[in-house]
Amino acid sequence: LAKTTQPISMDSYEGQEVNITCSHNNIATNDYITWYQQFPSQGPRFIIQGYKTKVTNEVASLFIPADRKSSTLSLPRVSLSDTAVYYCLVGVKDSNYQLIWGAGTKLIIKP
Amino acid sequence: DTEVTQTPKHLVMGMTNKKSLKCEQHMGHRAMYWYKQKAKKPPELMFVYSYEKLSINESVPSRFSPECPNSSLLNLHLHALQPEDSALYLCASSPGQRTTYEQYFGPGTRLTVT
Repeated sequence: LAKTTQPISMDSYEGQEVNITCSHNNIATNDYITWYQQFPSQGPRFIIQGYKTKVTNEVASLFIPADRKSSTLSLPRVSLSDTAVYYCLVGVKDSNYQLIWGAGTKLIIKP
Repeated sequence: DTEVTQTPKHLVMGMTNKKSLKCEQHMGHRAMYWYKQKAKKPPELMFVYSYEKLSINESVPSRFSPECPNSSLLNLHLHALQPEDSALYLCASSPGQRTTYEQYFGPGTRLTVT
């Protein structure tokens, strides 16, 4: 059964680095790993996307090992406004192609 | 313009009503999606349109009927819904259908079925 797995929740403090890992054993060969952020009563918002190794943009980094069966979203120096739910999204290939969302990680940042 | 708009923002409907949700994007994207999201759950894919043709239907009950009149518009027609269909309905678009492409989401329609 194609699925992804993320921690249900995490706590951290302002100014710290936060790492959230998603496992995705059946990721499709040619597909990317994408991470989204969602605030209450809003649609998800794109954070970062990668295929392999490391990708960095102005808000986050994404680390992907060579086997691509997991990925780690890294948020540097978090602030209170980073309190949100974070989802990984991958394409997986079993008998057919599916877009699979992780269950989401509720990140709470404390002052 | 990187915005996906959805109307209405909120909708309350009875189980015998017929209503429609609307979604619009002007980014030239060729894939459009309907998702259903319950509280504290990830978005649940319902339908995908690719180049204005229905490419994915995730075994959604027929009381939900999607329509893609043109490349910028996506509708979801609702009829004879059940209270358990109450949820946030999200529309998204992307340049293509696979995860290679970033999805842009609208703010959602909060649907309550009474």
